[in-house]
This record gives sequence, structure tokens and C-alpha cells, in this order.
Amino acid sequence: GENVEQHPSTLSVQEGDSAVIKCTYSDSASNYFPWYKQELGKGPQLIIDIRSNVGEKKDQRIAVTLNKTAKHFSLHITETQPEDSAVYFCASMTTDSWGKLQFGAGTQVVVTP
Amino acid sequence: EAQVTQNPRYLITVTGKKLTVTCSQNMNHEYMSWYRQDPGLGLRQIYYSMNVEVTDKGDVPEGYKVSRKEKRNFPLILESPSPNQTSLYFCASSLYGAGSSIPTDTQYFGPGTRLTVL
Repeated sequence: GENVEQHPSTLSVQEGDSAVIKCTYSDSASNYFPWYKQELGKGPQLIIDIRSNVGEKKDQRIAVTLNKTAKHFSLHITETQPEDSAVYFCASMTTDSWGKLQFGAGTQVVVTP
Repeated sequence: EAQVTQNPRYLITVTGKKLTVTCSQNMNHEYMSWYRQDPGLGLRQIYYSMNVEVTDKGDVPEGYKVSRKEKRNFPLILESPSPNQTSLYFCASSLYGAGSSIPTDTQYFGPGTRLTVL
């Protein structure tokens, strides 16, 4: 089955700097890669996603890149702000297992003023 | 407001006492799912449902049951809870375009239920 590895497990950045979280997946049939942000005491919330026919997607300060050959995808947050502090999860889904999201273990991001 | 609701939000129980965690969504989503979240393991899928009366096992279904009698509700049932089921549980839903060539993948999560089994 699909296995998703996420690194780093914790990430501390200065406000204004960039943050990068990387995930690798094992199943070449994976074709959907969402990123979720989980704030303390809340459920995960989708912040950006990318499909396998696209190499990069941006939404204001966040972007996701996908390298299908290497089977990895990354989340980039630029100009970080204190409200970006949260746990971030990557996930993947395959064509033949629609609805079955496989999650990474999560990255605790701390943005210090 | 479009949302997924779960009840209760917090529950402390004892081993073997049957419990049900309810999940309801008001977005007319066909797909619903349950996950458990444990430190260092991310979220793992317990069960999911593609539509009413259609359910299937996820990665960690042992010790859990579900039912989908109505589109909006997807309760999670623990017939005989054990301490290793102590966890944070999330319900999620998404719009599954049955019959459509482009299923919608975005999953919306509820606020979570923290369960402790003593």
C-alpha cells in the first residue's frame, strides 16, 4: 500500500522567512496530493492541493511543487507570519483508491516573531 | 454554514462500555470517513462510506463499526472499547461525483473527538 513520509517533524522559522516541508510517496499511481493545516484544538483544514498533471501550484504565500519522477512533493510558505504556526500534514490518494487519503506524520511549524 | 459536526467533543469511558461518536454534515456530501490521529502517526483511516448503505474498511478498522443509513450522518461505534483506542478522532466528508468523470477530492474535517478509554 501507499506510504507517505514527511520531513521535518518540527520546523522553527523566524517571522518573514520561508518554510519548506517535504513529503515522499511510494505508489506511482498516486495522483492527488493535498496539504492540510491543523491549528490547536481544531480539525485539519485543506490549504492547497495539487494533481499529478501539474508541477506547481501557488496561492498567495503558499505553493506546492510535485516531482512525479522522484515521487516527492513539497509545501513552501513564504514571508511566514505567527498565524502560520500549526501542524501541517501532507497526504496522497491513488486513482484506484479514491477517497482513501494516506497522511504523513505531520510537521509542527513554529514561527517566532 | 457548511460544516461537519461531531459529538461528543470529549469523552472519558471505561474498557468494554459501548459508545457511539456521531458525525453529521450539512453539505449533501456523498463521501464520509473516520480517522484517528495519534502522535507521530498522522491520521489513519478507520472506515469510509461512498454513499448511503455503502461502507468499507480503511487502514485500521479493527474494533470499530460504522453505519450509513442517511446521507448526512456517519456514526462511529466502539462495541467494546479498549485503552489502545484512546485517540483523537476526526470525521470528514467530501463531494463524490458519482457518475461524474471528475470526482471532487477535497475532504472537510470535523473538529475532532478526544476519547480516553480507561
